[in-house]
Amino acid sequence: GAGVSQTPSNKVTEKGKYVELRCDPISGHTALYWYRQSLGQGPEFLIYFQGTGAADDSGLPNDRFFAVRPEGSVSTLKIQRTERGDSAVYLCASSLGLGEGDTQYFGPGTRLTVL
Amino acid sequence: RKEVEQDPGPFNVPEGATVAFNCTYSNSASQSFFWYRQDCRKEPKLLMSVYSSGNEDGRFTAQLNRASQYISLLIRDSKLSDSATYLCVVPRRHDKIIFGKGTRLHILP
Repeated sequence: GAGVSQTPSNKVTEKGKYVELRCDPISGHTALYWYRQSLGQGPEFLIYFQGTGAADDSGLPNDRFFAVRPEGSVSTLKIQRTERGDSAVYLCASSLGLGEGDTQYFGPGTRLTVL
Repeated sequence: RKEVEQDPGPFNVPEGATVAFNCTYSNSASQSFFWYRQDCRKEPKLLMSVYSSGNEDGRFTAQLNRASQYISLLIRDSKLSDSATYLCVVPRRHDKIIFGKGTRLHILP
Protein backbone atom coordinates (compact mmCIF):
# COMPACT_ATOMS: atom_id res chain seq x y z
CA GLY A 1 0.00 0.00 0.00
CA ALA A 2 0.93 3.64 -0.16
CA GLY A 3 3.43 4.88 2.36
CA VAL A 4 3.79 8.26 3.95
CA SER A 5 4.07 11.01 1.39
CA GLN A 6 5.36 14.53 1.82
CA THR A 7 5.16 17.55 -0.42
CA PRO A 8 7.03 19.37 -1.66
CA SER A 9 10.17 17.25 -1.77
CA ASN A 10 12.28 20.40 -1.93
CA LYS A 11 11.46 23.94 -0.96
CA VAL A 12 13.73 26.93 -1.40
CA THR A 13 12.55 30.16 0.16
CA GLU A 14 13.89 33.50 1.21
CA LYS A 15 14.47 34.61 4.74
CA GLY A 16 11.32 36.06 6.25
CA LYS A 17 8.89 34.14 4.04
CA TYR A 18 6.14 31.79 5.13
CA VAL A 19 6.19 28.09 4.16
CA GLU A 20 3.84 25.17 4.49
CA LEU A 21 4.96 21.55 4.41
CA ARG A 22 2.42 18.81 3.89
CA CYS A 23 2.33 15.23 5.12
CA ASP A 24 -0.04 12.46 4.04
CA PRO A 25 0.18 9.60 6.52
CA ILE A 26 -0.54 5.96 5.87
CA SER A 27 -4.28 5.43 5.74
CA GLY A 28 -5.66 4.38 9.11
CA HIS A 29 -2.68 5.56 11.11
CA THR A 30 -3.89 7.66 14.01
CA ALA A 31 -0.52 8.97 15.17
CA LEU A 32 1.49 11.45 13.13
CA TYR A 33 4.89 12.89 13.97
CA TRP A 34 7.00 15.72 12.65
CA TYR A 35 10.77 15.76 12.95
CA ARG A 36 13.53 18.01 11.76
CA GLN A 37 16.89 16.62 10.73
CA SER A 38 20.02 18.64 10.17
CA LEU A 39 23.11 17.30 8.47
CA GLY A 40 24.94 14.79 10.61
CA GLN A 41 22.25 14.71 13.26
CA GLY A 42 19.48 12.31 14.13
CA PRO A 43 15.87 13.38 13.63
CA GLU A 44 14.81 15.92 16.23
CA PHE A 45 11.27 15.59 17.50
CA LEU A 46 8.99 18.58 16.87
CA ILE A 47 5.37 17.58 17.48
CA TYR A 48 3.04 14.63 17.34
CA PHE A 49 -0.68 14.22 16.86
CA GLN A 50 -3.09 11.61 18.06
CA GLY A 51 -6.05 12.08 15.77
CA THR A 52 -6.70 15.78 15.30
CA GLY A 53 -5.11 17.01 18.49
CA ALA A 54 -1.48 17.83 19.12
CA ALA A 55 -0.59 15.46 21.92
CA ASP A 56 2.86 16.92 22.46
CA ASP A 57 4.27 20.02 20.78
CA SER A 58 7.17 20.48 23.16
CA GLY A 59 9.70 20.04 20.37
CA LEU A 60 8.60 23.05 18.35
CA PRO A 61 11.54 25.45 18.62
CA ASN A 62 9.52 28.67 18.90
CA ASP A 63 6.18 30.24 18.05
CA ARG A 64 7.08 30.64 14.39
CA PHE A 65 6.37 26.94 14.03
CA PHE A 66 2.86 25.58 14.01
CA ALA A 67 1.28 22.35 12.82
CA VAL A 68 -2.30 21.28 12.22
CA ARG A 69 -4.14 18.09 11.42
CA PRO A 70 -7.75 19.26 11.11
CA GLU A 71 -9.34 16.02 9.97
CA GLY A 72 -7.05 13.55 11.64
CA SER A 73 -5.29 12.58 8.46
CA VAL A 74 -3.22 15.08 6.45
CA SER A 75 -1.02 17.39 8.47
CA THR A 76 0.59 20.70 7.60
CA LEU A 77 3.65 22.13 9.28
CA LYS A 78 3.70 25.90 9.00
CA ILE A 79 6.75 28.08 9.49
CA GLN A 80 6.42 31.83 9.66
CA ARG A 81 9.17 34.39 9.08
CA THR A 82 11.63 31.71 8.07
CA GLU A 83 15.24 32.02 9.15
CA ARG A 84 18.38 30.52 7.67
CA GLY A 85 18.64 28.28 10.71
CA ASP A 86 15.35 26.64 9.74
CA SER A 87 17.09 24.97 6.80
CA ALA A 88 16.86 21.22 7.32
CA VAL A 89 15.03 18.12 6.17
CA TYR A 90 11.57 17.98 7.70
CA LEU A 91 10.44 14.39 8.18
CA CYS A 92 6.95 13.18 8.83
CA ALA A 93 6.15 9.75 10.24
CA SER A 94 2.96 7.93 11.09
CA SER A 95 2.12 4.93 13.20
CA LEU A 96 -0.95 2.88 13.84
CA GLY A 97 -1.21 4.05 17.41
CA LEU A 98 0.78 5.52 20.24
CA GLY A 99 1.86 2.31 21.86
CA GLU A 100 5.54 1.94 22.52
CA GLY A 101 5.65 -0.95 20.12
CA ASP A 102 3.98 0.87 17.26
CA THR A 103 6.41 1.24 14.40
CA GLN A 104 6.83 4.65 12.86
CA TYR A 105 6.95 4.80 9.09
CA PHE A 106 8.70 7.79 7.64
CA GLY A 107 8.00 9.82 4.56
CA PRO A 108 10.82 10.88 2.24
CA GLY A 109 11.03 14.31 3.84
CA THR A 110 10.92 17.88 2.62
CA ARG A 111 14.28 19.55 2.21
CA LEU A 112 13.83 23.17 3.20
CA THR A 113 16.47 25.71 2.24
CA VAL A 114 16.16 29.25 3.52
CA LEU A 115 18.36 31.68 1.64
CA ARG B 1 23.63 11.32 30.74
CA LYS B 2 21.92 12.30 27.50
CA GLU B 3 18.58 10.62 26.81
CA VAL B 4 20.01 8.61 23.94
CA GLU B 5 23.68 8.43 23.07
CA GLN B 6 25.46 6.77 20.20
CA ASP B 7 29.03 6.70 19.02
CA PRO B 8 28.85 8.74 15.79
CA GLY B 9 31.63 6.72 14.14
CA PRO B 10 32.37 6.31 11.37
CA PHE B 11 33.03 2.63 11.73
CA ASN B 12 35.10 1.52 8.75
CA VAL B 13 34.80 -2.24 8.47
CA PRO B 14 36.00 -4.64 5.76
CA GLU B 15 33.38 -6.59 3.91
CA GLY B 16 32.61 -9.89 5.60
CA ALA B 17 33.61 -8.75 9.06
CA THR B 18 31.40 -8.54 12.12
CA VAL B 19 30.66 -5.14 13.60
CA ALA B 20 28.77 -4.09 16.69
CA PHE B 21 27.79 -0.77 18.16
CA ASN B 22 25.86 0.35 21.20
CA CYS B 23 23.29 2.89 22.18
CA THR B 24 22.90 4.03 25.78
CA TYR B 25 19.70 5.50 27.16
CA SER B 26 18.78 7.28 30.34
CA ASN B 27 15.07 6.55 30.78
CA SER B 28 14.92 3.34 32.75
CA ALA B 29 11.16 3.13 32.22
CA SER B 30 11.48 2.56 28.47
CA GLN B 31 10.16 -0.84 27.49
CA SER B 32 10.82 -1.06 23.78
CA PHE B 33 13.57 0.13 21.54
CA PHE B 34 14.22 0.31 17.85
CA TRP B 35 17.07 0.39 15.41
CA TYR B 36 16.46 2.36 12.24
CA ARG B 37 18.68 2.47 9.20
CA GLN B 38 19.10 5.67 7.24
CA ASP B 39 20.81 5.85 3.88
CA CYS B 40 22.33 9.09 2.69
CA ARG B 41 19.62 11.65 1.84
CA LYS B 42 16.88 9.11 2.52
CA GLU B 43 14.33 8.70 5.27
CA PRO B 44 14.92 6.38 8.23
CA LYS B 45 13.57 2.87 7.85
CA LEU B 46 12.91 0.40 10.61
CA LEU B 47 15.57 -2.26 10.88
CA MET B 48 14.69 -4.04 14.09
CA SER B 49 12.65 -3.67 17.22
CA VAL B 50 14.04 -4.76 20.56
CA TYR B 51 11.87 -6.00 23.38
CA SER B 52 12.86 -7.86 26.52
CA SER B 53 16.19 -9.53 25.90
CA GLY B 54 16.74 -9.11 22.18
CA ASN B 55 15.92 -9.91 18.62
CA GLU B 56 17.64 -11.65 15.72
CA ASP B 57 16.94 -11.32 12.01
CA GLY B 58 19.35 -13.00 9.66
CA ARG B 59 22.74 -11.34 9.96
CA PHE B 60 21.43 -8.75 12.42
CA THR B 61 21.14 -9.21 16.16
CA ALA B 62 19.88 -6.59 18.57
CA GLN B 63 20.25 -7.01 22.30
CA LEU B 64 19.02 -5.13 25.32
CA ASN B 65 20.91 -4.77 28.56
CA ARG B 66 18.50 -3.20 31.07
CA ALA B 67 20.94 -3.21 33.95
CA SER B 68 23.42 -1.08 32.08
CA GLN B 69 20.77 0.68 30.01
CA TYR B 70 22.06 0.06 26.55
CA ILE B 71 21.04 -1.71 23.40
CA SER B 72 23.42 -3.11 20.86
CA LEU B 73 23.31 -3.95 17.19
CA LEU B 74 25.55 -6.65 15.78
CA ILE B 75 25.97 -7.23 12.07
CA ARG B 76 27.62 -10.44 10.93
CA ASP B 77 29.16 -11.10 7.52
CA SER B 78 28.81 -7.44 6.64
CA LYS B 79 27.90 -6.47 3.08
CA LEU B 80 28.71 -3.33 1.14
CA SER B 81 24.98 -2.59 1.18
CA ASP B 82 25.06 -2.38 4.97
CA SER B 83 26.82 0.99 4.69
CA ALA B 84 24.43 3.47 6.26
CA THR B 85 23.73 5.41 9.42
CA TYR B 86 22.11 3.38 12.16
CA LEU B 87 19.78 5.29 14.45
CA CYS B 88 18.80 4.15 17.90
CA VAL B 89 15.25 5.06 18.93
CA VAL B 90 13.86 5.13 22.44
CA PRO B 91 10.14 5.84 22.59
CA ARG B 92 8.54 7.05 25.78
CA ARG B 93 4.99 6.03 26.42
CA HIS B 94 2.58 8.85 25.59
CA ASP B 95 5.53 11.08 24.98
CA LYS B 96 7.92 12.10 22.31
CA ILE B 97 10.27 9.79 20.53
CA ILE B 98 13.97 10.25 21.09
CA PHE B 99 16.39 9.46 18.32
CA GLY B 100 20.09 9.06 18.77
CA LYS B 101 22.34 10.99 16.44
CA GLY B 102 23.24 7.82 14.65
CA THR B 103 26.30 5.72 14.03
CA ARG B 104 27.81 5.86 10.58
CA LEU B 105 28.96 2.55 9.17
CA HIS B 106 31.16 2.21 6.10
CA ILE B 107 31.74 -1.29 4.74
CA LEU B 108 34.95 -1.38 2.76
CA PRO B 109 35.42 -3.67 -0.26
